[in-house]
Amino acid sequence: GAVVSQHPSWVICKSGTSVKIECRSLDFQATTMFWYRQFPKQSLMLMATSNEGSKATYEQGVEKDKFLINHASLTLSTLTVTSAHPEDSSFYICSADRQALTSGGGEQYFGPGTRLTVT
Amino acid sequence: AQSVAQPEDQVNVAEGNPLTVKCTYSVSGNPYLFWYVQYPNRGLQFLLKYITGDNLVKGSYGFEAEFNKSQTSFHLKKPSALVSDSALYFCAVHLVYNQGGKLIFGQGTELSVKP
Repeated sequence: GAVVSQHPSWVICKSGTSVKIECRSLDFQATTMFWYRQFPKQSLMLMATSNEGSKATYEQGVEKDKFLINHASLTLSTLTVTSAHPEDSSFYICSADRQALTSGGGEQYFGPGTRLTVT
Repeated sequence: AQSVAQPEDQVNVAEGNPLTVKCTYSVSGNPYLFWYVQYPNRGLQFLLKYITGDNLVKGSYGFEAEFNKSQTSFHLKKPSALVSDSALYFCAVHLVYNQGGKLIFGQGTELSVKP
């Protein structure tokens, strides 16, 4: 149980185009999903917290208009990188928590990640 | 500010030897601590967590971690390392919010287990 998928697993796009990444919780409902960015052999940087039915909460320094997040249902969140540039090339990872920490949970379940390359 | 630190970028261990991956934390209030493992080009996998109770926490794949409040540490351990344990390990602290709690990760430690 607690499987999170991401699609696509890798994508190459041209500078100036937009790319959408999907994150799905396959066997549980996720009120909250998280989007991270990771550079090679570095830690995960939290970009935003995605809440079903409401606006995402972005971390300081993350451009809301560039990284559009939509949490349309309890099993799907999408990240759209708009007007992509080469510096947006990175590994993007989503996660979801199945149960709140205060209810004995708290661990996040991660998708396999999406490798974005902008040429 | 809430944070975790992993003082070692890399840990090298011979197969069959015990391994330790270090983590220290700085939080206000009760610490909620996690360990995750990441294999190349993959997402993270949950290993174990400390919320409350016994200081020694057992997790997946034979890993365990010891919560030490006086030293503000949560080191990951395994009695006998396997080559397949080679991966990137992350310690994290959980920040509890009303709706979903976010994790703050340490910088990661690359574990290399040699035959």
